[in-house]
Amino acid sequence: DIQMTQSPSSLSASVGDRVTITCQASQDISNYLNWYQQKPGKAPKLLIYDASDLETGVPSRFSGSGSGTDFTFTISSLQPEDIATYYCQQYDNVPYTFGQGTKLEIK
Amino acid sequence: QVQLQESGPGLVKPSQTLSLTCTVSGGSINSGSYYWSWIRQPAGKGLEWIGRIYTSGSTNNNPSLNSRVTISVDTSKNQFSLKLSSVTAADTAMYYCARGTTVTKDDAFDIWGQGTMVTVSS
Repeated sequence: DIQMTQSPSSLSASVGDRVTITCQASQDISNYLNWYQQKPGKAPKLLIYDASDLETGVPSRFSGSGSGTDFTFTISSLQPEDIATYYCQQYDNVPYTFGQGTKLEIK
Repeated sequence: QVQLQESGPGLVKPSQTLSLTCTVSGGSINSGSYYWSWIRQPAGKGLEWIGRIYTSGSTNNNPSLNSRVTISVDTSKNQFSLKLSSVTAADTAMYYCARGTTVTKDDAFDIWGQGTMVTVSS
């Protein structure tokens, strides 16, 4: 199985801050990576697909980059409604695997 | 728009079989370029992909669960189902059904059900 390692596991930032989460794959996955947002008590929501493409309706403050084994997810200006846990997910190989999640909190 | 809704017992006894159904509304499950997945999440933990099915009946399952998992589809009812046998407390989790799409994306879970909590306990 491909292991996905996110860092940090948790993050506290202020409204307006630039926030960056990284995701590292245990092997080359090209750009076969998605990012999801999960708010408490809710199902995950797709934000970024194919490593860097923004899902329809998702605010442009969210972005993704990377290829190969190293990927980055960025919120350019943190908003209160962005409080959630964020997961990366690879789809290069079955079984599809997720990172362990990054819990984002407001300072 | 397409919506997914999980249903099934919230409590299952150890060693028994967990059975869940996902009903697809607002669209046909038989639309091309989609597949249908199950994903679970123990309380306070991360997401685990269980498996998927195409409407052709072709499936892929997570090897960590493979021998215990059966995913099936009933296109006439616009539903797909999960059976997980020989459950233990470790199978206690929120279970999500999700649509996988390769339409405008290489591959992503673009629509999720709200999830259903399943507890394994005697």
